[in-house]
Amino acid sequence: DIMLTQSPATLSVTPGESISLSCRASQSISTNLHWYQQKPNESPRVLIKYASQTISGIPSRFSGSGSGTDFTLNINRVEPEDFSVYYCQQSNSWPLTFGSGTKLEIK
Amino acid sequence: EVQLVESGGGLVQPGRSLKLSCAASGFTFSNYGMHWIRQAPTKGLEWVASISPSGGSTYYRDSVKGRFTISRDNAKSTLYLQMDSLRSEDTATYYCATPTDPFDYWGQGVMVTVSS
Repeated sequence: DIMLTQSPATLSVTPGESISLSCRASQSISTNLHWYQQKPNESPRVLIKYASQTISGIPSRFSGSGSGTDFTLNINRVEPEDFSVYYCQQSNSWPLTFGSGTKLEIK
Repeated sequence: EVQLVESGGGLVQPGRSLKLSCAASGFTFSNYGMHWIRQAPTKGLEWVASISPSGGSTYYRDSVKGRFTISRDNAKSTLYLQMDSLRSEDTATYYCATPTDPFDYWGQGVMVTVSS
């Protein structure tokens, strides 16, 4: 199984800061990596697909990069509504796996 | 508008069975793979099972193989998850999602609690 390791587990930031979240795969997954945001008591929503492709309706402050084993989700100037949990997910091979998540909290 | 509505959750004793349903609308159900993903209380997301558009191919995580069965009725635009021999560690909110790569649409989730 492909393990996805997200870091940090928790990130405390002030609104307006720009941040990067990491997702590292235990083996190469090309760009078959997607990012999701989950707010409390809500279903997840996809932010970025295939490592760097944008999703219609998602604010442009969200961007992604990486390939192989190292991936990054960037948020340019965090907004108050961005404080939530972020997950990465690989679709390179079965079983599909998610990272354990990064919680973005207000400092 | 794509809608996925799960139902069938509840409290069940260990070893018993439960069947979840996911009613889909707003898209051509028979054209897309469907998935079940769960989230234990205060925990992260965990993929459970997937089924191909025709239903001819199914995939499961190891911990549910032989106990859970994913199926679909394309005429009714409905996805199912038959859960047998339930364990306490199956306690979670279960989401259906579609399509594959990535999961663009998710249901609201249904809670399954396995406890005596």
